[in-house]
Amino acid sequence: GNSVTQMEGPVTLSEEAFLTINCTYTATGYPSLFWYVQYPGEGLQLLLKATKADDKGSNKGFEATYRKETTSFHLEKGSVQVSDSAVYFCALSAGPGANNLFFGTGTRLTVIP
Amino acid sequence: NAGVTQTPKFRILKIGQSMTLQCTQDMNHNYMYWYRQDPGMGLKLIYYSVGAGITDKGEVPNGYNVSRSTTEDFPLRLELAAPSQTSVYFCASSHAQRITDTQYFGPGTRLTVL
Repeated sequence: GNSVTQMEGPVTLSEEAFLTINCTYTATGYPSLFWYVQYPGEGLQLLLKATKADDKGSNKGFEATYRKETTSFHLEKGSVQVSDSAVYFCALSAGPGANNLFFGTGTRLTVIP
Repeated sequence: NAGVTQTPKFRILKIGQSMTLQCTQDMNHNYMYWYRQDPGMGLKLIYYSVGAGITDKGEVPNGYNVSRSTTEDFPLRLELAAPSQTSVYFCASSHAQRITDTQYFGPGTRLTVL
């Protein structure tokens, strides 16, 4: 079946620290992979995505590389800011024609000054 | 441009009561979705719609009903509320059904059934 496992939080970092949030997946077929972010009081927003193996998605200083050999899509940022405090969700789609996104449980990140 | 709006933000129901969660989008999107997020879990798809008059079940449809009479609105109906339906409910929309298209989410409705 299709599932996503991401590291449990919460994660607390100091400003300018390096961030990694781990995400691994199980999927049939050739999934696309996504990171969504939810800021306090708001809905989820797409942060970045990758649609095939070895693709790198990037946005707002965040990056994630689609690693088929390790079935992973880890989120990284070199220097976090207080404004990055949010809940981050890893998700996958099961491939062409799929109607469903499968989400991980979310990881809450708090960045302190 | 408001995007996706949901009402109410919070609601407490008694077992057996019914209610409708409202969702409206102003982006002229064809596709709309309802998800639920249980504590400590990922989002799961309840129902989705590919256009006005067309709806289909997702992963966890039991206990819910939907309708789509207009492009803008996609209400979710709970007929007989049960404690297992305590969750946060998210509505989303997207322009096309290619799963790689971005889904735009509302801020969620937090529902508690006691």
